[in-house]
Amino acid sequence: KAGVTQTPRYLIKTRGQQVTLSCSPISGHRSVSWYQQTPGQGLQFLFEYFSETQRNKGNFPGRFSGRQFSNSRSEMNVSTLELGDSALYLCASSVTDNEQFFGPGTRLTVL
Amino acid sequence: GIQVEQSPPDLILQEGANSTLRCNFSDSVNNLQWFHQNPWGQLINLFYIPSGTKQNGRLSATTVATERYSLLYISSSQTTDSGVYFCAVRRGSTLGRLYFGRGTQLTVWP
Repeated sequence: KAGVTQTPRYLIKTRGQQVTLSCSPISGHRSVSWYQQTPGQGLQFLFEYFSETQRNKGNFPGRFSGRQFSNSRSEMNVSTLELGDSALYLCASSVTDNEQFFGPGTRLTVL
Repeated sequence: GIQVEQSPPDLILQEGANSTLRCNFSDSVNNLQWFHQNPWGQLINLFYIPSGTKQNGRLSATTVATERYSLLYISSSQTTDSGVYFCAVRRGSTLGRLYFGRGTQLTVWP
């Protein structure tokens, strides 16, 4: 069974731009969670979607948003990028509320 | 939220040595996972262990949920074991959300 995939793997943007990251979960998994990893803050939870509904949201500004499609694929969007948004963005999927499996991540650099 | 503390923050070993990584958490949980982050950043699942003991080759893990801690044992370390090990927990009310510790950076020298 294929693992979680994320695209793109690397991205360079400038301040003020917006970006969209994509995550395809493991087949049959309906829950998708997003995390941001930075050296200073570690791994922080962004939000979680289950059956196209956002069930939980972390403490991030409204510039961070996401959605989930009927095939469980998920996207997250960051508008008006700031230098501090440079990070590794990780997506995880699970069947329901049990073991999460992570994708390879998208490394975003904001210049 | 749940506080997750991992110790030690850094561990340097020679190949062949054994090690124990610890994870303490501040509240009752119903999900605990151990991960190894590879050099490219991907989190690799090691154990899903809300309670009890599991073994997988040279690695084993024990979670004592009533005392709010988990241990990851690595025996006969190899250089390929190097990297950051994370513990993450979840409780029933935090749908889909894992709380991560800051990790243990393990370096194994040949």
